[in-house]
Amino acid sequence: DVQLVESGGGLVKPGGSLRLSCAASGFTFSSYSMNWVRQAPGKGLEWVSSISSSGSYIYYADSVRGRFTISRDNANNSPYLQMNSLRAEDTAVYYCARGARGVISFFDYWGQGTLVTVSS
Amino acid sequence: EIVLTQSPGTLSLSPGDRATLSCRASQTVSSSYLAWYQQKPGQAPRLLIYGASSRATGIPDRFSGSGSGTDFTLTISRLEPEDFAVYYCQQYGTSPTFGGGTKVGIK
Repeated sequence: DVQLVESGGGLVKPGGSLRLSCAASGFTFSSYSMNWVRQAPGKGLEWVSSISSSGSYIYYADSVRGRFTISRDNANNSPYLQMNSLRAEDTAVYYCARGARGVISFFDYWGQGTLVTVSS
Repeated sequence: EIVLTQSPGTLSLSPGDRATLSCRASQTVSSSYLAWYQQKPGQAPRLLIYGASSRATGIPDRFSGSGSGTDFTLTISRLEPEDFAVYYCQQYGTSPTFGGGTKVGIK
């Protein structure tokens, strides 16, 4: 079975940094794009970033470009999201999701999410 | 950026009713790259439909998707108790965007 398990969330002060990880299993990780999608408390879904299967192609939402960096380690079956210069509006549950087809795709499997809270 | 507008915001229905959810795009969604997700409280979203009308693995056939261009619809033919949830559309023809969601609640 496909499993995605996020970790690394927590409470951080404005301007601080966090690194999210996602442990992937149950599929050939190096064959799929990986993505981060977030959901602020009580709000809808917002795509954050995508990385191609090889890591060669990377895309960001305007709201995080220049502050967040997506990466992946195909040897360890993990995508990562380095989040710098965090703001209160970055407070959300962050989901790791598998891209079903290509880099820009729909998302066929999702993790349970990790909560990031940015507050002083 | 393609903006997706979902309507209605809330739908109050009874088990056994038919639910019709709308998703309208601010510009044409290329190749009908439109997906639908279901989300229940405290859970991750679940893929229902991709390519505007293809059901994902394991999704019951009471869920169907239709539409093209800028207008898309998710139909649940007969609501089961487990179908009461929030539904989101997403386009992936360009940088992904999601609609604001439609909550299907019990009347």
